[in-house]
Parts: sequence; structure tokens; C-alpha cells
Amino acid sequence: QVQLVQSGAEVKKPGASVKVSCKASGYTFTSFGISWVRQAPGQGLEWMGWISGYNGNKDYAQKFQGRVTMTTDTSTTTAYMELRRLRSDDTAVYYCARDHANGADYWGQGTLVTVSS
Amino acid sequence: QTVVTQEPSLTVSPGGTVTLTCASSTGAVTSGYYPNWFQKKPGQPPRALIYNTSDKHSWTPARFSGSLLGGKAALTLSGVLPEDEADYYCLLYFRTTQSWVFGGGTKLTVL
Repeated sequence: QVQLVQSGAEVKKPGASVKVSCKASGYTFTSFGISWVRQAPGQGLEWMGWISGYNGNKDYAQKFQGRVTMTTDTSTTTAYMELRRLRSDDTAVYYCARDHANGADYWGQGTLVTVSS
Repeated sequence: QTVVTQEPSLTVSPGGTVTLTCASSTGAVTSGYYPNWFQKKPGQPPRALIYNTSDKHSWTPARFSGSLLGGKAALTLSGVLPEDEADYYCLLYFRTTQSWVFGGGTKLTVL
């Protein structure tokens, strides 16, 4: 069965970077892209960007351009999302999701990233 | 900046029918926006319900349906159950920026 398993919770100081991983299994990794979505406390869902599992092509939300990098490792079927220059308002649960036919179907369990001095 | 707007909150009685809508600041929502709908409960990841306006995933209950209604994307729940109480988010694709944008979400109360 399709599974996306994310790395554990992180606590970071303002200005630092965080890298969240998303280990995919149960499907052909290179046939689907991975999107990253976050939800800050008490807020809605926010799309951060997408990366192709086939060729690494990416699209980032304008808000995160220059601060986010999404990568994949096809040998380990793992996607990564690195966010730099963290601020307190980056505190959120970060999710990866598999792209499916112009949308997202399977989701990871989420990774809580807390930014605090 | 593109804004996607949903009703902040709606209330429905058990067994009733409710329609949630999703509008774009750029104009009428069409199938080319590939509307998606997700259900979100506290402490759980989002659950995909609808893609491509009206297509259902294999796990989507029959009581959920998607459509286009009056220039908006719509999610209709028929025969609402207490467990349908949740936040619902729409997601639209914008070709001009090659990006997806979530709506602000609708808090659905079953009462």
C-alpha cells in the first residue's frame, strides 16, 4: 500500500534551517510528483511547492521562492524539503503528499517544526 | 495575489444536505483549475476527497460529490453524518503562475 512516512518533529532557532524528509513506498516513486503543504497553528493549509519524482522539475509558491529547496533521492525513494532563514511564523506542521491526476491523494503523517528562540 | 475564498463556517443537521463553495479572485472557476477538495480533522493529515472537479478517490464516500456551480467549485454532502464534522479545503491550480492555492477552509458543524 502507498505510504509516505515523514521525519520527526524539529525545534529550531530563528535564522536556522530545517530539512524534512518524506520516505515513499508502495508505488513507483518516479511516476509521481510530491507536493509540500504546511499548516500553521490555527491557520489553514498552505501549498509550498511541488517536485517531480521523474526528473526533479520543481514549482515553488512565490511566497517561498529563495527560501525553500525541494529535492528527491530516487535511490531511497525519499523527498526532502529544506526551509532556510526560519522565522517564528514558520512554526507549522509540514506535510508531503503524492501528486495524483492534478491533485494530491496520499499524505504523510506530518512533521511539526517549531521555531523558537 | 490570487485569493481562493470559501465560506468560513457552515452548519448542517444530521441527514441533511450542504454545499460548500470555492471561488477565485481571478474570475470564474472552470475545470481547468482542476478543483480538489480535502477533509481535515485535528491531529490528522488532510484526506483527499475529490480531484478534477468531480472525480472521487477509491475511498471517497458516495455522499460526497464535486461540481461547478455558478462560477465556483462546489462540494456537496448528502445525508450528512456526525463524523463529517471537519474543516474542508478546496485547492485550485493557476496556470499563469504554475502554482496551486488553497482556499481558507470551511468549518462544517453537524448539529
